[in-house]
Amino acid sequence: RKEVEQDPGPFNVPEGATVAFNCTYSNSASQSFFWYRQDCRKEPKLLMSVYSSGNEDGRFTAQLNRASQYISLLIRDSKLSDSATYLCVVSLNTGFQKLVFGTGTRLLVSP
Amino acid sequence: NAGVTQTPKFQVLKTGQSMTLQCAQDMNHEYMSWYRQDPGMGLRLIHYSVGAGITDQGEVPNGYNVSRSTTEDFPLRLLSAAPSQTSVYFCASMPGASVKQYFGPGTRLTVT
Repeated sequence: RKEVEQDPGPFNVPEGATVAFNCTYSNSASQSFFWYRQDCRKEPKLLMSVYSSGNEDGRFTAQLNRASQYISLLIRDSKLSDSATYLCVVSLNTGFQKLVFGTGTRLLVSP
Repeated sequence: NAGVTQTPKFQVLKTGQSMTLQCAQDMNHEYMSWYRQDPGMGLRLIHYSVGAGITDQGEVPNGYNVSRSTTEDFPLRLLSAAPSQTSVYFCASMPGASVKQYFGPGTRLTVT
C-alpha cells in the first residue's frame, strides 16, 4: 500500500465549478500535511498547509481528518489557471522534515 | 534572490557514464534535499542534508552520492548511470524549522 494515495484523475471541470480532491495516508504518526501544486514540467510549489481545524485561503479550503487519515482540498469557482496537478504531501517530523508525496491529482479546467 | 537553481536543465547520458547534477540556493537555508520524480510515482527522496558537512540517505539512495561542503551547494553525483535513473530530478531547500520547501526547476535526465 502506498503511504499517500490520491485519485490520479484527470478531473475535467468547467470554469466556475467547485471540485474536491481527496487523499489518504497510511502512517498514523504523520504530523504535518500539505497540498502542493505542480504545473506541467515545472517544480512543485506549496499551495497550503492543512490543519485539523480546517483552513481556507481564498477559493481553496483544506481539511484534515486524523481519525480517518484523510485529507481533502476543495476549490471553489475554478479558474483556467487552476489547471495543474495537486500533490498531497505528509511529513513525519523526525528532526528533518521528510516529505512523502502522493502521485498527484490532475485538474483540467475548461472554458 | 535567485532561489534554488539547478544545472543542467536537460542531460542525456550513456549507461555507465558518471556526472554531477548541480544545485545551489542563495537563501541561507540549512536543509537541502534531492528528489526524483517518475511517472505514476510521487517524488521520492534520494539524499538530504541538514547543514554543511552533514548528509543522510533518503528512500532511494542507491547509485547516488552527495556532499555538502558549503551551505549554498548540494551536488548530486551519479556514479555509473543506468537506464533506471532516467527521471526528473528536483533539488529543494528549506529553513531549519520551516514547513515550506523551495524547489529548483528540475533536471531532466535520460540514460540510454
